[in-house]
Amino acid sequence: GNSVTQMEGPVTLSEEAFLTINCTYTATGYPSLFWYVQYPGEGLQLLLKATKADDKGSNKGFEATYRKETTSFHLEKGSVQVSDSAVYFCALTLQGRGGSYIPTFGRGTSLIVHP
Amino acid sequence: GAGVSQSPSNKVTEKGKDVELRCDPISGHTALYWYRQSLGQGLEFLIYFQGNSAPDKSGLPSDRFSAERTGGSVSTLTIQRTQQEDSAVYLCASSFTGTTTDTQYFGPGTRLTVL
Repeated sequence: GNSVTQMEGPVTLSEEAFLTINCTYTATGYPSLFWYVQYPGEGLQLLLKATKADDKGSNKGFEATYRKETTSFHLEKGSVQVSDSAVYFCALTLQGRGGSYIPTFGRGTSLIVHP
Repeated sequence: GAGVSQSPSNKVTEKGKDVELRCDPISGHTALYWYRQSLGQGLEFLIYFQGNSAPDKSGLPSDRFSAERTGGSVSTLTIQRTQQEDSAVYLCASSFTGTTTDTQYFGPGTRLTVL
């Protein structure tokens, strides 16, 4: 079946540090890839997505590139802020044999940014 | 516009009781998903509704879990004879088309505690 593997957290950084959160996937086919973010006390929301190989998704200074050859979708940000402290989920969506589109999520990576 | 809403926000119940969790998706969204989020775990897919098609129930963990979606809108997740291991946050999400590239919009979740 499909799977998403994220680096375990928490990731603890100082403000203005460079961030990388690794995400790799296993899928039979060509999925769309997503990063969702869950800020403290809030629901999950889309951060960025990429729908085909070599696409780069970007939002709020975050970027991730869909790498088919390494089956990866690593999240990066050049300079993190305290307000980026949240849990980040990598996910993929692919059409299954029955025709339904079932998303698969990683376990989430907690990011803590200190002033 | 209004986002996805869920009720109740918190539910405490005794082992063996039945519970119903409600989800109001964004108007016009044809796809609706239920997930379970346990502490330290990712999102576990439970069930997927797409338009008038038969739901994909492949993620339901046991026959104590069921869900329905009335009129293509509101959905109810029912857990019968609750067990302590059912304690988790239950998330609902909706999307416009439910296809591979589509973004999911999440509700705030219902935190279920089974004593």
